[in-house]
Amino acid sequence: GESVGLHLPTLSVQEGDNSIINCAYSNSASDYFIWYKQESGKGPQFIIDIRSNMDKRQGQRVTVLLNKTVKHLSLQIAATQPGDSAVYFCAENSGGSNYKLTFGKGTLLTVNP
Amino acid sequence: EAQVTQNPRYLITVTGKKLTVTCSQNMNHEYMSWYRQDPGLGLRQIYYSMNVEVTDKGDVPEGYKVSRKEKRNFPLILESPSPNQTSLYFCASSSFPKGELFFGEGSRLTVL
Repeated sequence: GESVGLHLPTLSVQEGDNSIINCAYSNSASDYFIWYKQESGKGPQFIIDIRSNMDKRQGQRVTVLLNKTVKHLSLQIAATQPGDSAVYFCAENSGGSNYKLTFGKGTLLTVNP
Repeated sequence: EAQVTQNPRYLITVTGKKLTVTCSQNMNHEYMSWYRQDPGLGLRQIYYSMNVEVTDKGDVPEGYKVSRKEKRNFPLILESPSPNQTSLYFCASSSFPKGELFFGEGSRLTVL
């Protein structure tokens, strides 16, 4: 079947390099943001989240940065591995207490060994 | 194991033949939601439910129905499927408010 990776921005990196995936969000009132990873043939998988009262949050090998001034979100992956190859989506909660997530279209990350 | 289970995973059907895609979660989550994923359009929300007997439209609800009679189940119903409903469908659930959204493995539907 047709891959969800078609028509997407792509990022190609060498194994061991750091990756930075960017996302512009649309609603200045959004208060919660999430990054998801989707491997081929699978459902999206939670990576890391951040609330709007923070600028940075770190997980294991991943860091999310939030710049509310320019409505920009980034995901940094340290020491990228072949298993990191996937489509990465950002999502914003623009519904306040109604929890309405709006997803970006995604970026296809390819890690070359 | 915490999971969201969808069935069927793959289905080919014909225009007008009613079908139901089931979704079940074992995490006692209040919030459940259906999305469709199409190339170039990303994930778009169809319907969501904040709790039992509480459902609401998402961004693309036309042609779909849902019900939430029990907390764990949230079936998606296509009363009269049409070819433009050919898509990859995902069910997701979350604790409320704003817990991590867990996704099922997806159901690929083709309407001929």
